[in-house]
Amino acid sequence: ETGVTQSPTHLIKTRGQQVTLRCSSQSGHNTVSWYQQALGQGPQFIFQYYREEENGRGNFPPRFSGLQFPNYSSELNVNALELDDSALYLCASSPGQGARGTQYFGPGTRLLVL
Amino acid sequence: AQRVTQPEKLLSVFKGAPVELKCNYSYSGSPELFWYVQYSRQRLQLLLRHISRESIKGFTADLNKGETSFHLKKPFAQEEDSAMYYCALSDPLNTGTASKLTFGTGTRLQVTL
Repeated sequence: ETGVTQSPTHLIKTRGQQVTLRCSSQSGHNTVSWYQQALGQGPQFIFQYYREEENGRGNFPPRFSGLQFPNYSSELNVNALELDDSALYLCASSPGQGARGTQYFGPGTRLLVL
Repeated sequence: AQRVTQPEKLLSVFKGAPVELKCNYSYSGSPELFWYVQYSRQRLQLLLRHISRESIKGFTADLNKGETSFHLKKPFAQEEDSAMYYCALSDPLNTGTASKLTFGTGTRLQVTL
């Protein structure tokens, strides 16, 4: 069984640029959630995808957008990067619609915005 | 609004001493609560969930609705318990059928000899 993978592991961008982060869900999982974890904070929910549709969204601006593909892998796109977007971005997958708590996390992508 | 509070950023205990990591929540309705753990250089992983009522690696957590708490306990700390611990609440999304996790800020447990 393959776990959740994310790429890249690290990324450095400048303010105003755009970034795409990628996530492959665990085998058999059709729901993917994205979280942002700032330094010293717990993960904060960005949005969730189920069967290629956005299933719910947290308190993040529209410049945070996502996609889910037929193989259930997912992308997180952030436009017009701001310094405060510097964080660890976590992807989590779960089986079935929604995520009733048990989510399987990837190792994260660390984004630094200069 | 739903919220999870972990009042301690760092908890340092001696090996063999009891451990209690505090978690309080604010939620209207019946909460589903979880403890997630992150060991050094590893990914975030589920430790236990309250509905399972199980003990994992010697840890237990009881949901106290009256005190809105879900503290994590272990009678005798081991060195390998040193990690970052996050309390989390499963919170339904607007769609009604999906849910997300709301995390606390985490407590670093440091077990020393």
